[in-house]
Amino acid sequence: GENVEQHPSTLSVQEGDSAVIKCTYSDSASNYFPWYKQELGKGPQLIIDIRSNVGEKKDQRIAVTLNKTAKHFSLHITETQPEDSAVYFCAPGGSGGYNKLIFGAGTRLAVHP
Amino acid sequence: DVKVTQSSRYLVKRTGEKVFLECVQDMDHENMFWYRQDPGLGLRLIYFSYDVKMKEKGDIPEGYSVSREKKERFSLILESASTNQTSMYLCASSSYPGTEAFFGQGTRLTVV
Repeated sequence: GENVEQHPSTLSVQEGDSAVIKCTYSDSASNYFPWYKQELGKGPQLIIDIRSNVGEKKDQRIAVTLNKTAKHFSLHITETQPEDSAVYFCAPGGSGGYNKLIFGAGTRLAVHP
Repeated sequence: DVKVTQSSRYLVKRTGEKVFLECVQDMDHENMFWYRQDPGLGLRLIYFSYDVKMKEKGDIPEGYSVSREKKERFSLILESASTNQTSMYLCASSSYPGTEAFFGQGTRLTVV
């Protein structure tokens, strides 16, 4: 099955700095690469995703980059703001008739004013 | 507005009780999932279902069972609750593999 690793587990930045979170996966057939954000007291919500025929996707201050050869993809947040403080999860998959939807262990991002 | 609704936000049960956690989605999704979330351990998959009456074990199914009698409803059952099942439980649904998953608000279960 899919083995998913996410680094770092915690990240602390100053407001305005950039943050990068990396997700490594094992299933070379994976073709869907999403990032979810979980705010306190809520369920995770999709913030950005990318498919395997695209190398990079950007949405305002957030971007996702994919390296299929190396089997990793990254979340980039620029000009961080306090409201970016949350736990972020990756969940690579989409390869089979059905998939287990496995998440990385999560990254707790703290943005300090 | 798409919705995944979990029946309770907070639940306190006694050791040995049978516990039912209910999840309903209104998006006609094929796939439904149950996770538990513990500090430092991320989201761990308990069970998932890709069709009515179909279920598959996730990574930590021991001590749990599930039921999906209707497409919109997926229930997680703790046959005999134990204190190590105290956790946050999250339900999710998606239309098919490789698409966005939608989560409920979570149920914080405490077993005493």
